Amino acid sequence: EPEVTQTPSHQVTQMGQEVILRCVPISNHLYFYWYRQILGQKVEFLVSFYNNEISEKSEIFDDQFSVERPDGSNFTLKIRSTKLEDSAMYFCASSERGQGIQYFGAGTRLSVL
Amino acid sequence: GDSVTQMEGPVTLSEEAFLTINCTYTATGYPSLFWYVQYPGEGLQLLLKATKADDKGSNKGFEATYRKETTSFHLEKGSVQVSDSAVYFCALKARAGNNRKLIWGLGTSLAVNP
Repeated sequence: EPEVTQTPSHQVTQMGQEVILRCVPISNHLYFYWYRQILGQKVEFLVSFYNNEISEKSEIFDDQFSVERPDGSNFTLKIRSTKLEDSAMYFCASSERGQGIQYFGAGTRLSVL
Repeated sequence: GDSVTQMEGPVTLSEEAFLTINCTYTATGYPSLFWYVQYPGEGLQLLLKATKADDKGSNKGFEATYRKETTSFHLEKGSVQVSDSAVYFCALKARAGNNRKLIWGLGTSLAVNP
């Protein structure tokens, strides 16, 4: 069964460093998403992406965040200058249609020290 | 704004016990409702969904009915197994416009003992 793949599974970084979280969505899907879950809190929507542009973003997704689909298969989330409060599990998801079911990867645990 | 409230965990049951995990929501209009499950070390997997009032979603012995009058979508299973041990998330997606984001409950951890 096709699946969403995220790498790395765990990323440790120093505060102020840039990180790139990588995702390979399901191949025929057109809509892509990032969510995050800070430990003990709810999963929160960050951004959705379609047709090579952001279609919706939350207030969390400020100028420190960016997304890109650099080629036909990868979808990345970049955090330019990480803060301690960026420590969380980051989930990538994709869907075939805008209102379709979202399929999730296993997540990347980001630890900012 | 839209929100989802789930019963707090952890929930610990013996094998073959009956499971209920409560979920209520606040939303404008008529959202779609989902239960996702996260097994240890894995991603969020869709368990079941319902898109309109009185719909019943079901999968792997789990069921949930979309109750508009009580704004609820409680998850039930008649007889749990050890393999059902996981974290269960209730979520909604509003129908308005191009809104595609999922809004999540806090998650309920379930442990089933043999």
